[in-house]
Amino acid sequence: SQQGEEDPQALSIQEGENATMNCSYKTSINNLQWYRQNSGRGLVHLILIRSNEREKHSGRLRVTLDTSKKSSSLLITASRAADTASYFCATDPGGYQKVTFGTGTKLQVIP
Amino acid sequence: DAGVIQSPRHEVTEMGQEVTLRCKLISGHNSLFWYRQTMMRGLELLIYFNNNVPIDDSGMPEDRFSAKMPNASFSTLKIQPSEPRDSAVYFCASTGGYNEQFFGPGTRLTVL
Repeated sequence: SQQGEEDPQALSIQEGENATMNCSYKTSINNLQWYRQNSGRGLVHLILIRSNEREKHSGRLRVTLDTSKKSSSLLITASRAADTASYFCATDPGGYQKVTFGTGTKLQVIP
Repeated sequence: DAGVIQSPRHEVTEMGQEVTLRCKLISGHNSLFWYRQTMMRGLELLIYFNNNVPIDDSGMPEDRFSAKMPNASFSTLKIQPSEPRDSAVYFCASTGGYNEQFFGPGTRLTVL
């Protein structure tokens, strides 16, 4: 099964609302990353949080990490129609072990 | 920098034909990843290289798939012979020693 499982699978909100996506994983990590994928495009890196960090901010993005629960959340505040995309978490065990992407959350922001 | 470059962007071929996908890394990057994305299986890592050396190819589905890095900036993914179940979007991504992966635009492969 996937190392990272996002929840919910799909989310539809009105412009201006906040969107929260969750990621659960199974094994220990060195860091966890969030990526965005617009339809028909490659993934774009959004933010990285290390295993010794609990929260990180970047613009309208806020990421939290709880290593005891093996979970992370991505919050997008004041959403915009342009935020419509799929969002993936990716877990990095460190060293030469491979980064594993989750199943993704499809976010739709309605103008 | 143009970013990661993939070619072709779209490929339609018939079952049994050989398919070669190409990827040019960002200058200075030393790790290269090949992924496959489908609705059913999501994003799967096929193989990754570090400094031109394959590190993990456990995701390569079967012997019909092969990948090479003939030099530090270029990689190919070959499928021979191709089958309809190989239809997917294939991405390559590169990193330069940090954790962020830079993805190419993908190659949409359709095998009829």
